[in-house]
Amino acid sequence: SQQGEEDPQALSIQEGENATMNCSYKTSINNLQWYRQNSGRGLVHLILIRSNEREKHSGRLRVTLDTSKKSSSLLITASRAADTASYFCATDAFTGANSKLTFGKGITLSVRP
Amino acid sequence: EAQVTQNPRYLITVTGKKLTVTCSQNMNHEYMSWYRQDPGLGLRQIYYSMNVEVTDKGDVPEGYKVSRKEKRNFPLILESPSPNQTSLYFCASSLTLPGGGYEQYFGPGTRLTVT
Repeated sequence: SQQGEEDPQALSIQEGENATMNCSYKTSINNLQWYRQNSGRGLVHLILIRSNEREKHSGRLRVTLDTSKKSSSLLITASRAADTASYFCATDAFTGANSKLTFGKGITLSVRP
Repeated sequence: EAQVTQNPRYLITVTGKKLTVTCSQNMNHEYMSWYRQDPGLGLRQIYYSMNVEVTDKGDVPEGYKVSRKEKRNFPLILESPSPNQTSLYFCASSLTLPGGGYEQYFGPGTRLTVT
């Protein structure tokens, strides 16, 4: 299966600390994306990194990609209580016309005030 | 405002009673898809559509139907719902990215309970 697997399953940190979440996958990808989901709501796209990129930043988010290890990490710096949510990685194994995103099971992040 | 809308947001129904969950997007996206989200299983794709009149099965299509008669609408049909279809359903509309691939925009979700 192409499904990404996030690690850890749950993470609890204090406000102001950094949160690091990892994702591993099995086969070649075109890009890898991270999404956030607040409780019971739709997922929101956070950041995308392509297979030829190693690191990207967006505000307090930093994502890295190591295609040799088939893994990615999402770092949220200076976390806030509002960052409490579930985070999903999604791998895109684009093969021409039939691009498809496959989501992992998610990481539950709790940020304590 | 660019958005994906779903209706209804909550639905409780009984086994065997046909239902339709509507999905509409106003971003002129070609690619749309349906997912279900279950505890411990993450998001699983039910069906997707590359464009009008073009649909295909995702990972868990059994018990579902879709249609794509217009670009903006992608309804999910449960002809004979069963309790194992109790789930949280999401419609997504996708922006095609330069260089290939999609970025997905999700609707707010429909929580379906089948008794």
